[in-house]
Amino acid sequence: NAGVTQTPKFQVLKTGQSMTLQCAQDMNHNSMYWYRQDPGMGLRLIYYSASEGTTDKGEVPNGYNVSRLNKREFSLRLESAAPSQTSVYFCASSDRPWGSDTQYFGPGTRLTVL
Amino acid sequence: DQQVKQNSPSLSVQEGRISILNCDYTNSMFDYFLWYKKYPAEGPTFLISISSIKDKNEDGRFTVFLNKSAKHLSLHIVPSQPGDSAVYFCAAKRGAGNQFYFGTGTSLTVIP
Repeated sequence: NAGVTQTPKFQVLKTGQSMTLQCAQDMNHNSMYWYRQDPGMGLRLIYYSASEGTTDKGEVPNGYNVSRLNKREFSLRLESAAPSQTSVYFCASSDRPWGSDTQYFGPGTRLTVL
Repeated sequence: DQQVKQNSPSLSVQEGRISILNCDYTNSMFDYFLWYKKYPAEGPTFLISISSIKDKNEDGRFTVFLNKSAKHLSLHIVPSQPGDSAVYFCAAKRGAGNQFYFGTGTSLTVIP
């Protein structure tokens, strides 16, 4: 059982380049989330998808877009990367949105924007 | 504005002793709290939770205490083991349908 998988694990971009971070879960969860973790800031929610077909902004959505491709997959796109988007990105999933159910996290993608 | 704060970035404890990790929050509407544990190069994993109707929840060596009047929660690990060395995040939310807010994390080192 793989849980939540993320690709790539590491990525270096130049300012202005675009890329898509991929996330997939095999737990048949309804809700999926994208967070970023910066030093001294904790994890901050970028976007989430409460259920297949829906997406909503979180705390720090600017500069990002998301696609809930199907129940399993939730991708995060940076259209024009900026150095401020250098961070570690975590995808998570849960059975219910924001319920008492825990969220299960992927291993993270470490992104550096030069 | 950081609504959930972990003011100690790091903590070192001898093996077998108690580890106490602290978390403070500013939003009195928060009613559900969790602790996550994170090893390097891995995602956070759920450790223990508590709802605001309780003031204590235990799970083996891990106990979470909630002091609503002080807007403070703590995680006690007894006895501490070297495998507990990790970064611990607390998180909080208010009501149903609302997002979790995470603290900045405390790095625990348990010295053998």
